[in-house]
This record gives sequence, structure tokens and C-alpha cells, in this order.
Amino acid sequence: DGGITQSPKYLFRKEGQNVTLSCEQNLNHDAMYWYRQDPGQGLRLIYYSQIVNDFQKGDIAEGYSVSREKKESFPLTVTSAQKNPTAFYLCASSLYSSTDTQYFGPGTRLTVL
Amino acid sequence: AQSVTQLGSHVSVSEGALVLLRCNYSSSVPPYLFWYVQYPNQGLQLLLKYTSAATLVKGINGFEAEFKKSETSFHLTKPSAHMSDAAEYFCAVSSNTNAGKSTFGDGTTLTVKP
Repeated sequence: DGGITQSPKYLFRKEGQNVTLSCEQNLNHDAMYWYRQDPGQGLRLIYYSQIVNDFQKGDIAEGYSVSREKKESFPLTVTSAQKNPTAFYLCASSLYSSTDTQYFGPGTRLTVL
Repeated sequence: AQSVTQLGSHVSVSEGALVLLRCNYSSSVPPYLFWYVQYPNQGLQLLLKYTSAATLVKGINGFEAEFKKSETSFHLTKPSAHMSDAAEYFCAVSSNTNAGKSTFGDGTTLTVKP
């Protein structure tokens, strides 16, 4: 079954800790994205990558970091510099760019205690 | 620059009634427009997509949307609502000159009353 997976589904973090969210796809897509979703605010783009070993900042990249060492994987690290990290995080992929349909993972809900 | 405005954060309809969810966009170049649906605690799924081939786009589950350039609108409709349509709906815009980035609206929550 082709698709995009995210783990874990729920994640709890203490203040001051870094945490890494996993995103894997087996759709052979070139482009991958990370979004943050807060109630009533839609989706905001954190980072995106259109090719292996390259990625670009989105609209709210501060306090986050990513890597794209493999085509299938695009992990997101939420660092202690992110002032308000509690949110629902969505990973997506598309064939080449954002003009193609994006396929979304099931999301990770991060709560900072 | 590109942007999306979804008018109405909450829409409530009766089962069997017309569904109309409004989306207006802004784009300095020809846009690609999308409607996605999200069920609670899940990711988004594509309903339909406009890519300039036809102004009336048909999607899954009986939904359709019409691209109106003069009104910069891409409203989503369904003739008869089902209980299973209750969800959050997002309109999104992208373009070839900004190919890495989509801009999403704030979403509209659809409630269907029995």
C-alpha cells in the first residue's frame, strides 16, 4: 500500500527538550512538506523540500529544523527555541511541486508539558 | 504573492440541503486551486483540483467547484448534504512561480443536522 506515515501519533515533551517527528513516504514523490495546524488558523508551512539534500524555509520556520537525506524521509525537529510548540503537525508529499496534489500523513499531536 | 480567504468559519446545513462553502483567492499569476477535507484528528484528503483545463471541476463524494476568474472565487458545492460530509474543509492556492509553497485558507467546519 502506497502512502505517507507519521510517527508517533501523540508526543509529549518537557520544556527545553528537542523532539523529532518522523515522516516517511513510499509514493516516490520528490516534494515533501511540513505544516503546523492550530485551531482556527488553517495550515501554515514550516519547511518544504523539492529534492533530496535540499530544503527551503516556509512561513514559520523559526525554532524548527529538517533534513532530507533520503527521498522517502523528511524528519522535523522541534527545538527548544520554538516558543509555542504545542500543535498538530502534518507532513505531506507531492509528485514534484505544490501545484501537484498533496498527500497528507495522519499527523502528530505534540504537547509541551 | 498569493492568498486565500474562506468566508465563514462554520457552516451548518440540514441533511439533504445544498452545501455551499466559499473560497476567494488572490494570485498574480494563473492559480492552481484545491479543496481538501479533514476529518477529526486525521490528515487532509483531496476533494478536487483546478488546473485551468475546465472551469467546472467535479470531485469525489458529489462535490464540485466552479472557477470564476472575474470574481476570483472557487466555491465548493454539493447538491444534497449527507451526515458523513460533516468535516473541516480547506481551500488552497499554488502557482508555477511559487511551486514550493501552497497557501491554505483558515478552514470551514461543516455541520450537518439530521
